[in-house]
Amino acid sequence: QLQLQESGPGLVNPSEILSLTCTVSGGSLSSSRSYGGWIRQPPGKGLEWIGSIHYSGITYYHPPLKSRVTISLDTSKNRFSLNLTSVTAADTAVYYCATHKRFTPNFDYWGQGTLVTVSS
Amino acid sequence: QSALTQPASVSGSPGQSITISCTGTSSDVGGYDYVSWYQHHPGKVPKLIIYDVSNRPSGVSNRFSGSKSGNTASLTISGLQAEDEADYYCTSYSTSVILSTLGLFGGGTKLTVL
Repeated sequence: QLQLQESGPGLVNPSEILSLTCTVSGGSLSSSRSYGGWIRQPPGKGLEWIGSIHYSGITYYHPPLKSRVTISLDTSKNRFSLNLTSVTAADTAVYYCATHKRFTPNFDYWGQGTLVTVSS
Repeated sequence: QSALTQPASVSGSPGQSITISCTGTSSDVGGYDYVSWYQHHPGKVPKLIIYDVSNRPSGVSNRFSGSKSGNTASLTISGLQAEDEADYYCTSYSTSVILSTLGLFGGGTKLTVL
């Protein structure tokens, strides 16, 4: 069973880059033939898929965020990362990493989530 | 405004059944059997309870069931229990011209167990 853990700064300045890492344990994206995805939830609002990376390295992004998002994979360290550029207060949210086995929104394993606040 | 429409809230008494709807279009809910439902207790991690419209992951109670008719998917919870009180989100694969995406979420429904 996979375990996921997000890490990264809890506070980011407006216009800067939000960077988070998801470390996978109990297996790997490759061994489980999975995608690693990022989902966020702004305070008081619903869930939003940000993007996913296949264990082969192919990436998929939610169109409204595509111009600002990069997801990368570090197989040697068993982790994948999220970079979100030009952040504003609207990007303040709890960010979750999760895995899914097919190109469908079936997110089976989740990290605990990390709150990122965009503020100066 | 979310692309998938869910009621903001539903309520029911212990032991009763409730149904939460999730309405989309023929480019998402109606066009594919890739609707999932998540249970989210505030402060906790979302939990997948239904995938591919009507399938339950291992370990999920059979009190949860999913279905779809046309462009509307539904989640039914039978034999309501206090622990079912949570937010519920639907999501669907979408290939609409406006928003082609892996995961189009609904706005969420708050279930209150009276």
